[in-house]
Amino acid sequence: NAGVTQTPKFQVLKTGQSMTLQCAQDMNHNSMYWYRQDPGMGLRLIYYSASEGTTDKGEVPNGYNVSRLNKREFSLRLESAAPSQTSVYFCASRQNRGRSNQPQHFGDGTRLSIL
Amino acid sequence: GDSVTQMEGPVTLSEEAFLTINCTYTATGYPSLFWYVQYPGEGLQLLLKATKADDKGSNKGFEATYRKETTSFHLEKGSVQVSDSAVYFCALRENSGGSNYKLTFGKGTLLTVNP
Repeated sequence: NAGVTQTPKFQVLKTGQSMTLQCAQDMNHNSMYWYRQDPGMGLRLIYYSASEGTTDKGEVPNGYNVSRLNKREFSLRLESAAPSQTSVYFCASRQNRGRSNQPQHFGDGTRLSIL
Repeated sequence: GDSVTQMEGPVTLSEEAFLTINCTYTATGYPSLFWYVQYPGEGLQLLLKATKADDKGSNKGFEATYRKETTSFHLEKGSVQVSDSAVYFCALRENSGGSNYKLTFGKGTLLTVNP
């Protein structure tokens, strides 16, 4: 059971370079999310997609763009990487079932360093 | 806005000790509450959840009770094991309907259990 798959697992970039982080889920979930995790900050939501064809900003969207390519895939793009974007990035997905409380399922993360 | 406050770590215990990690929340409505666990090098996994006041979530020997009067959801385990060493996140999801399926996370608490 693959669940949520993120690629790459590790990446080092130079300031100003661009990069796309890939995320795919095989659980037929409607909603997908991108978070960043920084020491002492917990997880902060960057962007989310409640359903195929829709995306919305989260808490910290500046410097990022997203694409919900299809129901399975949700990519995160850094157009011009900055050292402040050094972080661990997590993708998550969730099944929408009315107002029921289905949990989010997380990938293993992408560790991104920007020099 | 919604917020989650967790006790700051790190927390270091000996095997078989009793664990409590405090979590309190601020929300405008009646949120659902979650505890997630992150083992080293992995993504977050749902540990337990509670969807209404006085519900008790439990899993793998961990328990947490949704206390509306004190806006708390403290995590407890009677006898921790070395394998419980991880980062624990408290989270809430506002049940306001619509397409808002976002989680608000606490900053996380690092637990280390020594043999």
